[in-house]
Amino acid sequence: AQTVTQSQPEMSVQEAETVTLSCTYDTSENNYYLFWYKQPPSRQMILVIRQEAYKQQNATENRVSVNFQKAAKSFSLKISDSQLGDTAMYFCAFYNQGGKLIFGQGTELSVKP
Amino acid sequence: GAVVSQHPSRVICKSGTSVKIECRSLDFQATTMFWYRQFPKQSLMLMATSNEGSKATYEQGVEKDKFLINHASLTLSTLTVTSAHPEDSSFYICSARDASGVGYGYTFGSGTRLTVV
Repeated sequence: AQTVTQSQPEMSVQEAETVTLSCTYDTSENNYYLFWYKQPPSRQMILVIRQEAYKQQNATENRVSVNFQKAAKSFSLKISDSQLGDTAMYFCAFYNQGGKLIFGQGTELSVKP
Repeated sequence: GAVVSQHPSRVICKSGTSVKIECRSLDFQATTMFWYRQFPKQSLMLMATSNEGSKATYEQGVEKDKFLINHASLTLSTLTVTSAHPEDSSFYICSARDASGVGYGYTFGSGTRLTVV
């Protein structure tokens, strides 16, 4: 069975600095998708970024990028120039061939002024 | 972009009563919807997969007679918590996958906070 592990329950970063959230997963599949979701205090789940496993190039969106290491089954999220609005729970998720999203435990990120 | 509307956002019900939560895809057809349960500061736990026109598939340990799921159209899935008890109090979230999309991410509803008193 696929599993997703986020080993950092809590992280904090100063405003304007860079923070990296880690995620590892386990699967025997070769084609799959990985996601980072953000859940702010409103509890609305928001897609931050996604990565297709067949693409070697790391996804990037504005201040956010990922470091996808397929062989190591690692999928970390880097947020640059952190802003107060980045404060949220962040979930790493794996989409499997069965069509389900499997979530990690989450990392609570606090951006401090 | 794709929008999923979930209602109600908050509901308080008495123990022993039933409560229905609706999840609607507003601008796309969703052949598959998912229902999650989330406890404070914890991850989303998948309860069941709702398939339009067929029976829902429940995850291990989820009581299908307590959590009734109906997906009668391509835009609406409902979760009914039957004979609710205080331990059913939780945050429930639905999500939908666009019928044409695989790997494009899932769109989530805004969640329902259920309190059973």
